[in-house]
Amino acid sequence: AQSVTQLDSQVPVFEEAPVELRCNYSSSVSVYLFWYVQYPNQGLQLLLKYLSGSTLVKGINGFEAEFNKSQTSFHLRKPSVHISDTAEYFCAVSSYGNKLVFGAGTILRVKS
Amino acid sequence: DTGVSQDPRHKITKRGQNVTFRCDPISEHNRLYWYRQTLGQGPEFLTYFQNEAQLEKSRLLSDRFSAERPKGSFSTLEIQRTEQGDSAMYLCASSPTRGTGANVLTFGAGSRLTVL
Repeated sequence: AQSVTQLDSQVPVFEEAPVELRCNYSSSVSVYLFWYVQYPNQGLQLLLKYLSGSTLVKGINGFEAEFNKSQTSFHLRKPSVHISDTAEYFCAVSSYGNKLVFGAGTILRVKS
Repeated sequence: DTGVSQDPRHKITKRGQNVTFRCDPISEHNRLYWYRQTLGQGPEFLTYFQNEAQLEKSRLLSDRFSAERPKGSFSTLEIQRTEQGDSAMYLCASSPTRGTGANVLTFGAGSRLTVL
């Protein structure tokens, strides 16, 4: 079975500063990895995904993530955040396209 | 492509009543998933279908919960004899199993249930 640990429940950061949201996973098989964003009272929107190939994955809104198999991590980064990036971010894992298993989420609070 | 649609968006009910949620997936997606999300938590898997076949159910899905996808298109999630602990956001997602979007879930906006 897979599991996901998001190491920070909340991350406060000032506007235009860089940010990293940490995600570690456990799985006994090869996995697909995802980051989703959720704005208040909305569903989940896909930010980026790793299915295969290059371990550095670029997504929407200037976000990127790096798959590190040896450290079983898939941390999300953005070099300069905006107020509009304030939201909750979820890391998720699946094996061979089966159901997604989500982490508990990280709330990103961008301050002016 | 109108995305994944869920109805109703909000439902307030009294304990003991039955409620039903509907999900219309993206038309060419043959997989459909139901998740439940409570405040401060990540979405928890409930069940999923491939076409009309229900392939997996979580142990979270008690016998008061039933999901159907009779013609392999829309799906319903029914909760019988609701309890206050059922209050949550119920999320539906769909995905294709082939092509560039394979294995990537697209979520609807969710149906929020409040049990009084």
